[in-house]
Amino acid sequence: KNQVEQSPQSLIILEGKNCTLQCNYTVSPFSNLRWYKQDTGRGPVSLTIMTFSENTKSNGRYTATLDADTKQSSLHITASQLSDSASYICVVSVGKAAGNKLTFGGGTRVLVKP
Amino acid sequence: NAGVTQTPKFRILKIGQSMTLQCTQDMNHNYMYWYRQDPGMGLKLIYYSVGAGITDKGEVPNGYNVSRSTTEDFPLRLELAAPSQTSVYFCASSATGLGLETQYFGPGTRLLVL
Repeated sequence: KNQVEQSPQSLIILEGKNCTLQCNYTVSPFSNLRWYKQDTGRGPVSLTIMTFSENTKSNGRYTATLDADTKQSSLHITASQLSDSASYICVVSVGKAAGNKLTFGGGTRVLVKP
Repeated sequence: NAGVTQTPKFRILKIGQSMTLQCTQDMNHNYMYWYRQDPGMGLKLIYYSVGAGITDKGEVPNGYNVSRSTTEDFPLRLELAAPSQTSVYFCASSATGLGLETQYFGPGTRLLVL
């Protein structure tokens, strides 16, 4: 069964500090891995998309890494800001079939405090 | 561009009632999707459409129906509401549904069935 597990479920960090979120997946066949940011009461917004051949991808202060051998990914947030308070969702794309089937993790809720 | 819009934002239904969740996109995307998001859980695909007149079931289609008469609109119908359908519903769209393409999400509809 295709699964995406994220840890921790939630975390609190002080403004200006860094943090790293983890994602483990058991999805086959793997196509690509995405990280989404979801603000409270909003829909998810794409941060990064990586294929199996990419080890790292950055989007501003967000850096995603991928280890396709161990089936693990991480999202690093540098110099956190209050606006980073949100849920971060790891999503794995299954195969290349039409419909772009996605398996979603449960998300990590991040709260940045001043 | 408004992107993906959804109405209503919030609705309370009684058990057995019916309703239609509206979704419209103005990006001329061929692919549209309906997801549900339960607390602490990953998004689950309900139905998707690859173009006007073509729809297909996702992971959790029971209790729902869809239609796609135009490229822009993809309504989701609940015929006999049940408490298990209490959730947040997200509509999304993408141009082709393949490869590294991003899905764009609407703001969601929060549904409470009592």
